[in-house]
Amino acid sequence: GAVVSQHPSRVICKSGTSVKIECRSLDFQATTMFWYRQFPKQSLMLMATSNEGSKATYEQGVEKDKFLINHASLTLSTLTVTSAHPEDSSFYICSAQGPDTQYFGPGTRLTVL
Amino acid sequence: GESVGLHLPTLSVQEGDNSIINCAYSNSASDYFIWYKQESGKGPQFIIDIRSNMDKRQGQRVTVLLNKTVKHLSLQIAATQPGDSAVYFCAERPGGYQKVTFGTGTKLQVIP
Repeated sequence: GAVVSQHPSRVICKSGTSVKIECRSLDFQATTMFWYRQFPKQSLMLMATSNEGSKATYEQGVEKDKFLINHASLTLSTLTVTSAHPEDSSFYICSAQGPDTQYFGPGTRLTVL
Repeated sequence: GESVGLHLPTLSVQEGDNSIINCAYSNSASDYFIWYKQESGKGPQFIIDIRSNMDKRQGQRVTVLLNKTVKHLSLQIAATQPGDSAVYFCAERPGGYQKVTFGTGTKLQVIP
């Protein structure tokens, strides 16, 4: 089946720093990738849709300048959390649109101290 | 706005029994539905999907039923095993769009 990877799997950073999370589709090309955020014991909330070669589409209430998304190739999308604060601590999950359905990455646990 | 929701937050079943997880959706424009399994600390794993032109689809030990009249979706797991313990999410996708909306999730606990 289609495989999506994320790196890093866990990251701890200090408040005020920026963190970059990578999402890769390993065995297929994805013109569209998605970034989700998940708080403990809650569902996945879509943050933005990442389109290869164009600007990302953000969901209502998601700050574009805080969550920078770059989709520079058909197999890689990156999410940069800028000036991270403790309230940004969460589980970030990406997915890639395959030929039939979305395939999800394993997630990245971000902890901001 | 329209959303996908679940009736039961937690479901406990005895090993070997069948499990039924329910989901209500409200977006009548949705034409594609997916069930995902999420284990602790991991990303969602695709289980089974169904399109709106179908009312039933079967996989290995799993069956998804779709009732468009009452906007209801269910996931049936046969002979539930300890490895089935996880949180299960239903998700919907409106026609013409790629993004999906997740429901609130049901935690399935399998009692050995």
